[in-house]
Amino acid sequence: KQEVTQIPAALSVPEGENLVLNCSFTDSAIYNLQWFRQDPGKGLTSLLLIQSSQREQTSGRLNASLDKSSGRSTLYIAASQPGDSATYLCAVRMDSSYKLIFGSGTRLLVRP
Amino acid sequence: GAGVSQSPSNKVTEKGKDVELRCDPISGHTALYWYRQSLGQGLEFLIYFQGNSAPDKSGLPSDRFSAERTGGSVSTLTIQRTQQEDSAVYLCASSLALSSSYGYTFGSGTRLTVV
Repeated sequence: KQEVTQIPAALSVPEGENLVLNCSFTDSAIYNLQWFRQDPGKGLTSLLLIQSSQREQTSGRLNASLDKSSGRSTLYIAASQPGDSATYLCAVRMDSSYKLIFGSGTRLLVRP
Repeated sequence: GAGVSQSPSNKVTEKGKDVELRCDPISGHTALYWYRQSLGQGLEFLIYFQGNSAPDKSGLPSDRFSAERTGGSVSTLTIQRTQQEDSAVYLCASSLALSSSYGYTFGSGTRLTVV
């Protein structure tokens, strides 16, 4: 059974700092991995999608990497801003299924 | 539409009542998914649709839960005889196709409170 873990559960950093969020999964037979952002009381906003054959994806200040064999993904946020404060979720889709399996998220606070 | 639309955004209901939650996916998206996010828990899969059919209902918590999709578009999630443990945010998502390499687009959710 696939399990997705995110570390740390919460993170507080000063504005301007570069930071890394971690996501690990136990079964490497994934189809893709997606990073989402969730603001309080809101739905999920898709940030980056990495196919199983890809190593990384970039969008603006965000860079997500995927090491399928070791079961790890990282989300790198450069020059963090207070507006980046949110919960970040990673989710994997398995080869054998169409549903997403989510981690429990990392709650990020960027202090001005 | 421009995004996935869910209604109502908030619903308070008495224990034992039935509720219907609605999801309007992005136009042209053939795949539609329902997830639930309970307080203190992660997101859990409920059901997905390809067109109007639901090949995987494995995530529905009990037979009080049902979902349908008509015209390959709008979907409704119905919870009968609601219980307090049904209180959660119900999220809907859509994607271009089940086998698409595109990701999911989520709606803002319906916050259900059973009192």
